[in-house]
Amino acid sequence: DAGITQSPRYKITETGRQVTLMCHQTWSHSYMFWYRQDLGHGLRLIYYSAAADITDKGEVPDGYVVSRSKTENFPLTLESATRSQTSVYFCASTLLPSGGPYEQYFGPGTRLTVT
Amino acid sequence: GQNIDQPTEMTATEGAIVQINCTYQTSGFNGLFWYQQHAGEAPTFLSYNVLDGLEEKGRFSSFLSRSKGYSYLLLKELQMKDSASYLCAVRLAYSGAGSYQLTFGKGTKLSVIP
Repeated sequence: DAGITQSPRYKITETGRQVTLMCHQTWSHSYMFWYRQDLGHGLRLIYYSAAADITDKGEVPDGYVVSRSKTENFPLTLESATRSQTSVYFCASTLLPSGGPYEQYFGPGTRLTVT
Repeated sequence: GQNIDQPTEMTATEGAIVQINCTYQTSGFNGLFWYQQHAGEAPTFLSYNVLDGLEEKGRFSSFLSRSKGYSYLLLKELQMKDSASYLCAVRLAYSGAGSYQLTFGKGTKLSVIP
């Protein structure tokens, strides 16, 4: 069982290019999240999704676009990459409410460098 | 805005006990989480507190005081593999889908030395 996967794991792109980071989970978790992690800032939420076709902005959404046509996939697109978007990106998911803490499970991350 | 504070770095000796503190000032509160993150890896869930008191899980314990906006993670019998960053995160009491968002502190990098 792969759980939650991200691709690519590493990506180098140029300023102004569009780039899409993929996230796939095999658990049928309804909630999915995208974070970026930068030194000095910790993990910051970019976008989240409660279910297929339901998405909403997090703390730092500018310059990013998401979609969720299927429960298992939650791609993140940088429409026109900037150097400030150089970061490590984590996707996470959490189970439907059924009792318990609803902890988030994280994918392995994508290290993105914008030159 | 939301404010979650943790020490940036800590060092402790193998076999010892270390306490990592987290204070928070948020507009709501619906639970506090601790995650462990080894360098170059994803965060993994350690513990969850929503009521005041201590939760124990093997060598790890987490404490919460809601009235003080304070939590700590206690690691006992430290091992070299405990060298990692420890992230404190608060779930705010939003309604609807936003209720499952987490706001993270910047993390505490723990180094365990022989």
